[in-house]
Order: sequence, then structure tokens, then C-alpha cells
Amino acid sequence: EVQLVESGGGVVQPGGSLRLSCEASGFTFDDYTMHWVRQRPGKGLEWVSLITWDAGNIQYADSMRGRFTISRDNGKNSLYLQMHSLRTEDTAFYYCTKGRPSALYGLDVWGQGTTVIVSS
Amino acid sequence: DIQVTQSPSSLSASVGDRVSITCRASQGISNSLAWYQQKPGKAPKVLLYAASRLESGVPSRFSGSGSGTDYTLTISSLQPEDFATYYCQQYYVTPTFGQGTKVEIK
Repeated sequence: EVQLVESGGGVVQPGGSLRLSCEASGFTFDDYTMHWVRQRPGKGLEWVSLITWDAGNIQYADSMRGRFTISRDNGKNSLYLQMHSLRTEDTAFYYCTKGRPSALYGLDVWGQGTTVIVSS
Repeated sequence: DIQVTQSPSSLSASVGDRVSITCRASQGISNSLAWYQQKPGKAPKVLLYAASRLESGVPSRFSGSGSGTDYTLTISSLQPEDFATYYCQQYYVTPTFGQGTKVEIK
């Protein structure tokens, strides 16, 4: 069974940093593109970033570019999102998602998410 | 970015009803569209991808259709467990989501 387990969320002050992690199991992690997607409280879904299996293609949503860094460790079956210069509008539930085969921007299985609260 | 407009934003229906939700993309997306179901406090779950392909384990009362810019999710006979929020998502280019449709009990 494919499982994605996020961790690392918490409360941080504006301007602060946080690193999210996602541990994957149940599939060959280094075969797949991975994504982060977020959902602000009571709002819809917003794609954040993707990283291909070999980190050869990394993309970000415009509002996160320059502040967030996605990375992966295939040896540890893990995905990461380093977030800097956090803003109150970054408060959201952050989901790790497995990419869909043969579709760079397709999403497949989602983790249960981790909460990030940016507040003074 | 491709904008995705989903409608309606909410609907009320009864068990057994046939329900349809539509998504319109701002440009053609070649069937690169997925539908998700999200229940409160849970992660979204993919129902369909490639506009009309049912994800493994999803009941056959869910179906998808469309082409070009216009797509539809249909639930043929609404069941109690189907009351949730539904989202469409294009993945032709960097992913964008519809605004969601909350399906409530009438």
C-alpha cells in the first residue's frame, strides 16, 4: 500500500523558517516525480512545487519561488520542503503527493498532511 | 497559468439523485484533468484522471466526460458517503485546481 507521511509542521513567526518532511513507502520512490500541495484554512487547493525522480526538473508556484526549496533523498525515500521568509498567508495544510506515471503534473496518492501556522 | 473554473460552488441533493459538476479550463488541456473528493479533515482522494479514467477502487457510479476546455464529473446515484467537496485539477501544465463544489444533503 502506498503511504506518504508528512511531518515537520508547526507554529512559526512571520519571517521564520520551517522544514517539512515526507516519508514514502509502498512504492519505488525514485521512480516518481513528487509534489507538495497546500490548502489554506477553509480554502481550495494550491500546487506548491514538484521535483522529478532525479531532481533534474524542479518547479515552484510563483508565490513560493525564492522562498521555498524542494528536495528529496531517494536513499531515505523522503521528500522535503524547506520554507523561508514565511508569511501569514503561508498558513495552510501542506500535503505531499506522489506524481502520476507519464504525467509530469499529474497527482496520485496524497499524504494526510501537516499543518503550518505562521503567526506572531 | 491555465485557470480552471468549477461550477456550481455548492449543491444540495438527495440520496439517489444524479449529480453533475463541471469544470472549464481557460484553454484546451487535452483531457489532462483529474477529479478529487475531499471529506472534512481528510486529504483529497483521486476519483478520476485523464478526464474519464476511474481510479482503482472508485465506485462505478462516478464517471467523467469532456474534451478540450469543458469537463464534467457525474455521480449517477448519490450515496450517503458521497457528501463531500469535489475538486477538479488540470495537469496539462503546472497544476491548477477548481474552486471546489460542496455537495450537501438536501
